[in-house]
Order: sequence, then C-alpha cells, then structure tokens
Amino acid sequence: LAKTTQPISMDSYEGQEVNITCSHNNIATNDYITWYQQFPSQGPRFIIQGYKTKVTNEVASLFIPADRKSSTLSLPRVSLSDTAVYYCLVADTSGTYKYIFGTGTRLKVLA
Amino acid sequence: NAGVMQNPRHLVRRRGQEARLRCSPMKGHSHVYWYRQLPEEGLKFMVYLQKENIIDESGMPKERFSAEFPKEGPSILRIQQVVRGDSAAYFCASSPRVNTDTQYFGPGTRLTVL
Repeated sequence: LAKTTQPISMDSYEGQEVNITCSHNNIATNDYITWYQQFPSQGPRFIIQGYKTKVTNEVASLFIPADRKSSTLSLPRVSLSDTAVYYCLVADTSGTYKYIFGTGTRLKVLA
Repeated sequence: NAGVMQNPRHLVRRRGQEARLRCSPMKGHSHVYWYRQLPEEGLKFMVYLQKENIIDESGMPKERFSAEFPKEGPSILRIQQVVRGDSAAYFCASSPRVNTDTQYFGPGTRLTVL
C-alpha cells in the first residue's frame, strides 16, 4: 500500500516562500499527485496537480522528481490568509482505485 | 457551474438511528468519492463510485455503511445504527471522467452522534 508522510506543522512569515514536501512511496505509476488546502470547517480546496517535473499555476508550483517518491508544494510570498492545513493526495498502487491523503501540514503564517 | 453540493451540512443523530448523507457532483461529473475526517485528523478514503457502480469500497467499514450513486439523483452515503465513533465530517468529491482527473470537494456534512 502507498504511504504518505508530511511535516506536521510549519511556521512562516508573511512574504516568505514556503515549501512543503510530501513523501509517497509505492504510488500508482499512472496517476497524478494533487495538493489541497483546507480551512477549518471547510472542504479541501484544489491547489495544483502534476505528474512529474515541475508544474506552475497562478498560486503555487509543484516539483516532482523523476522517481515520484515525493513532491514539494511551493507557495511564493505567503500571506496571513494562507494559514491552513495542506494535504497531498495520491492514488494507491495496489491495483485498486483507493486514494491516500497525506498526513497534512498545518501552516501558520505570522505577521 | 455549481460546485459539489452536500446536504445536510450538519446532521445530529442519536445512537442507533440511521444517517443519510447526500452528494450532488458537479455538472458533467460521473465519478464520486467519499472521505471521512475525524476531529483533528486527516481525510480517509471510504469509497469510489461511478454511475450505478461501486468501483472501490476498500476504505468503508463492512458493517453499517453503504453507498450508492444511482443513474438519476445524488450519491448517498448511508450509515445504519450510528455510534458515537461515527461522529465526523464526511466529504464528497467528484471528477469528470476517469479517476485520474482532479477531484473537487464539497463543503462536507458534519455528523454528530449523541
């Protein structure tokens, strides 16, 4: 079964770049890696998705090495409103269609 | 285009009662996923359904829990004879085509079992 690990928490200051890594060994070879943001009492909100190398959109970048055993979400110039829990989501590789969320990283942005 | 809708947003049940949670996917989406989030914990996969079919239910408890996604109407997650340990937030997500597409999440249903 796929296993995912993320740092439990991170603190950052406004305007800094934040990098959050998710380790995910044994994931499905043909599926994407997706990152979500979750605020208290809300559903996860899609941030970015990628398969390999680097993907960038208007809010974040995603770096995925060739072995796909990890992925790094990069948030440029964070603000107070980026304080949230961030999760990676991967597909299990065991021949099922089961999805595995990372353990979640609680990001706190300080003024 | 409306997002994923879930109702009710909050549901209170007494032990032994049944809970029915509904999920309407985004328009044009035929794949639905249910996840459970216990208080202060991460999200756990429960079941993946396509129209009229259960594709993977490996994350769903074998007793008391069932899910369906009929040809017409919303997906339903049903919990029979609820216990206090079922208290959690239940999130539904949908995707357009194959399961490799991005999953978009609803606001969740918060179930409280008294």
